[in-house]
Amino acid sequence: RKEVEQDPGPFNVPEGATVAFNCTYSNSASQSFFWYRQDCRKEPKLLMSVYSSGNEDGRFTAQLNRASQYISLLIRDSKLSDSATYLCVVPGGSQGNLIFGKGTKLSVKP
Amino acid sequence: DGGITQSPKYLFRKEGQNVTLSCEQNLNHDAMYWYRQDPGQGLRLIYYSQIVNDFQKGDIAEGYSVSREKKESFPLTVTSAQKNPTAFYLCASRTPGARGQPQHFGDGTRLSIL
Repeated sequence: RKEVEQDPGPFNVPEGATVAFNCTYSNSASQSFFWYRQDCRKEPKLLMSVYSSGNEDGRFTAQLNRASQYISLLIRDSKLSDSATYLCVVPGGSQGNLIFGKGTKLSVKP
Repeated sequence: DGGITQSPKYLFRKEGQNVTLSCEQNLNHDAMYWYRQDPGQGLRLIYYSQIVNDFQKGDIAEGYSVSREKKESFPLTVTSAQKNPTAFYLCASRTPGARGQPQHFGDGTRLSIL
């Protein structure tokens, strides 16, 4: 299994839809996880941190399944402004550096 | 406002030339990182530094060099040995006691070959 693996998409959804992204990871010792959002030609920005079983922030819910080693991100009531690439990030390496997934592209259409 | 500042935003390199990308942070973060991102690809770690006067190679360090003389600054030099330097370069930093903490990014430098 790769260190971090994401479905590259693109996910094309209508406004108002609910969309879920999954991310699998290989390091079973990982304790903290992150979802970042990256707009086209911009830097990644932290969307959510996940330290236990999950986290919720408005329309966004992140869930962690340690037994199966995957993290999910659920976006409810999608907005046009949610269109971006979503990066799954897990700790890895000898000094706990972060490993970034290649991202899942989301396109929300009117 | 605290943050990470990268400069320049756009940079062009001539054949055989070394160029230096600047990264400055005023967040009092101990750890700093340099990544490279190619179109449609994920972030790849070039170099990182956990503390002043110390730095480590990442996954793709060949053709690059760094220094960490001050806590606030972590410049990256793209040397002439880097044969394919065209990419989006991102600098990041993390809080003290960095394990388990997210990274925060500067807004990047786009490097192209003339």
